[in-house]
Amino acid sequence: DAGITQSPRHKVTETGTPVTLRCHQTENHRYMYWYRQDPGHGLRLIHYSYGVKDTDKGEVSDGYSVSRSKTEDFLLTLESATSSQTSVYFCAIRGSTDTQYFGPGTRLTVL
Amino acid sequence: SQELEQSPQSLIVQEGKNLTINCTSSKTLYGLYWYKQKYGEGLIFLMMLQKGGEEKSHEKITAKLDEKKQQSSLHITASQPSHAGIYLCGVYGGATNKLIFGTGTLLAVQP
Repeated sequence: DAGITQSPRHKVTETGTPVTLRCHQTENHRYMYWYRQDPGHGLRLIHYSYGVKDTDKGEVSDGYSVSRSKTEDFLLTLESATSSQTSVYFCAIRGSTDTQYFGPGTRLTVL
Repeated sequence: SQELEQSPQSLIVQEGKNLTINCTSSKTLYGLYWYKQKYGEGLIFLMMLQKGGEEKSHEKITAKLDEKKQQSSLHITASQPSHAGIYLCGVYGGATNKLIFGTGTLLAVQP
């Protein structure tokens, strides 16, 4: 257990509304990641962070932004949610031996 | 870019039977991670293999890395219903900080 929590765990929202998902870690890991998981696509990287205020894009970053103002928190924002962003979102941290440890996930439904 | 192909895609075994899952890489393997995911949950880290010929075991699960074959295998001995889930292999791809995941193997264990 790498001390990773995600909130909310479930969310239903409407198209066009902003949504922020939070990932919180308790062990001061430098690297944090946001993935989405969809049937037929597996896990895809959205954004990642390599330190406070240091972030970079992944393979499916369009429509998403991130922020990391504190080591322990990595926020994922959907500025204007669309139905294509309905997915399960996982946060991960990179620990020792570069192993990534994943949070429990957030199930997001955009109606 | 590196790709990981897992076989079989899905597997149904009787409780108590042994089974093997393979992960084959399109490029040389320098290290590989195995994860397990139960439906609706996050990925659980199982094992990491760092070099060719390495073999690790945890409880009834053994993983091996064959760098010549660019392949890793995950062997479960005397399977139990608790072993059911999706097994994923992963490697870090190229110069990015991204974990590339295999296509996944869905395991069902019948009591």
